[in-house]
Amino acid sequence: DGGITQSPKYLFRKEGQNVTLSCEQNLNHDAMYWYRQDPGQGLRLIYYSQIVNDFQKGDIAEGYSVSREKKESFPLTVTSAQKNPTAFYLCASRITSGRATHTGELFFGEGSRLTVL
Amino acid sequence: SQELEQSPQSLIVQEGKNLTINCTSSKTLYGLYWYKQKYGEGLIFLMMLQKGGEEKSHEKITAKLDEKKQQSSLHITASQPSHAGIYLCGAALETSGSRLTFGEGTQLTVNP
Repeated sequence: DGGITQSPKYLFRKEGQNVTLSCEQNLNHDAMYWYRQDPGQGLRLIYYSQIVNDFQKGDIAEGYSVSREKKESFPLTVTSAQKNPTAFYLCASRITSGRATHTGELFFGEGSRLTVL
Repeated sequence: SQELEQSPQSLIVQEGKNLTINCTSSKTLYGLYWYKQKYGEGLIFLMMLQKGGEEKSHEKITAKLDEKKQQSSLHITASQPSHAGIYLCGAALETSGSRLTFGEGTQLTVNP
């Protein structure tokens, strides 16, 4: 079945270490997104990519990096520069239609919970 | 301040009661999306509204979009424990529609 797979589901990291969260989709979606969710809060956009080899910063990109070498994959690296990385990370994708102003809904993965020890 | 304000932040109702959750934008809406989330899990898409006055229903959940007020409401009729969870509204606030901004969510508890 088509969907979005995030891994790992749970991750523990020591301070000062970089960690990479995986996001893979087989929905043939053009656009992919990374959001961060903190307890009792909504989602905040970290990075997004609308086509391969191109991505844009979201609202809280500092301390994070991404790559989009393949349409199916959009990994997120949480670097040691991110001061408060403990959070729930959600990856999403959607179909886009070129210059259309209205595009489809976001499909979300199950999330990755990162805890910094 | 938040670009998308949801109210209430939390809601506790008795099974069988009706309830409404509101989502208000400080900017022009170019698409409004409702999602449901169980704690620690991904978001499940409920409905998408794009035109002023649009109303959509799925089972006992109805969502409306008031374009003039830049507001959407989600109404649940005869609530059940299965309706419990976090409801989030997301909206495209730019003409490109490429980014979705989310509200802070409404935590719904339905007591049997």
